[in-house]
Amino acid sequence: AAGVIQSPRHLIKEKRETATLKCYPIPRHDTVYWYQQGPGQDPQFLISFYEKMQSDKGSIPDRFSAQQFSDYHSELNMSSLELGDSALYFCASSLVGSRNTIYFGEGSWLTVV
Amino acid sequence: AQTVTQSQPEMSVQEAETVTLSCTYDTSESDYYLFWYKQPPSRQMILVIRQEAYKQQNATENRFSVNFQKAAKSFSLKISDSQLGDAAMYFCASRGLNRDDKIIFGKGTRLHILP
Repeated sequence: AAGVIQSPRHLIKEKRETATLKCYPIPRHDTVYWYQQGPGQDPQFLISFYEKMQSDKGSIPDRFSAQQFSDYHSELNMSSLELGDSALYFCASSLVGSRNTIYFGEGSWLTVV
Repeated sequence: AQTVTQSQPEMSVQEAETVTLSCTYDTSESDYYLFWYKQPPSRQMILVIRQEAYKQQNATENRFSVNFQKAAKSFSLKISDSQLGDAAMYFCASRGLNRDDKIIFGKGTRLHILP
């Protein structure tokens, strides 16, 4: 079965640079979530989209933005990167009525040096 | 707001033995979903088991089962016949019923399997 696809899997950026992470949800899934997991931490919710509209927002820095496109893929844009942004970024997707299960991608590792 | 608490940062179990991971949660909702996710060293987030709060019967998936106590807001995970591949971080999580409700995670319990 198709899973959530994230790219790139690994990314190294310098401080103050910009990074873009992409997420391709499971086909027909209508909701996308972004989570950030720092070293030794639990995943923290950043933002979510339902049917291409932002539906909820968590502890996402103002330097970060995200959107969902007409083909349902989503992108997380991070600017003015800081060392503390180094983390594993998960994208997840779900489908209304699918027993409310959220499926996670394998994550994108961002290292800021 | 929902909160999930895992009071055991680390646990160890002998291979082939049984171990129980604890989780409590708080929510104002009457219906919701509860999950256990496994995160092995690869850091992939793998769904282990799911429980609908409106179901009284405890969910079971092969060697994994839960003890769901709705009144006590408790949701523990029992792993039977522990295997080396079960070594991982385990996250308890909850989610509301609304179509776009997010998942809220606990802090996790790191499980070590002793050969």
